[in-house]
Amino acid sequence: SQQGEEDPQALSIQEGENATMNCSYKTSINNLQWYRQNSGRGLVHLILIRSNEREKHSGRLRVTLDTSKKSSSLLITASRAADTASYFCAEETSGSRLTFGEGTQLTVNP
Amino acid sequence: DTGVSQDPRHKITKRGQNVTFRCDPISEHNRLYWYRQTLGQGPEFLTYFQNEAQLEKSRLLSDRFSAERPKGSFSTLEIQRTEQGDSAMYLCASSGQGRTSSYEQYFGPGTRLTVT
Repeated sequence: SQQGEEDPQALSIQEGENATMNCSYKTSINNLQWYRQNSGRGLVHLILIRSNEREKHSGRLRVTLDTSKKSSSLLITASRAADTASYFCAEETSGSRLTFGEGTQLTVNP
Repeated sequence: DTGVSQDPRHKITKRGQNVTFRCDPISEHNRLYWYRQTLGQGPEFLTYFQNEAQLEKSRLLSDRFSAERPKGSFSTLEIQRTEQGDSAMYLCASSGQGRTSSYEQYFGPGTRLTVT
């Protein structure tokens, strides 16, 4: 069963705007990972943040982690139409399985 | 292309038939994972291998499901006596030995199974 919850479930923005997606989880984690899934394509790894990290950047992506609140957020700056996809957070707890949330469907309108 | 590959990409079968899927991981990766994803949901973990050893299986993996990784390279996932509820996307992922205990998983394109 899914343990994580993402918020919002769907987000629609205009190109150039920033998009923020949130993820909550329930267990202690080794790390938290964010993935993107385009329609008809596989999951693409975006960024990994370890439990002892609070913030991480990669290009237009910024991820934060608050282990006291068991939450993480993904910020995409200066969004593009090509960013339209489903975004999933996934908890890694034991060096093996990933537990995914239900995802946020992001639509970036040109 | 040196990514994770899966075969077939699509499979339509009749209820009660057996199906087998194959996954070829990134060559230097020693860990291989199987997940199942239904429409509108995130992937759900099924099982994983480290080299040829199957180290963990989800309760989702009923006795109709079996996975192997005989030589620690490619893996197969077999579903016996398929049911309509088995219709889903079956995803394979692989990961290598990280510098810490963290493993980034790289996913294949998936095999979409439709049971009629």
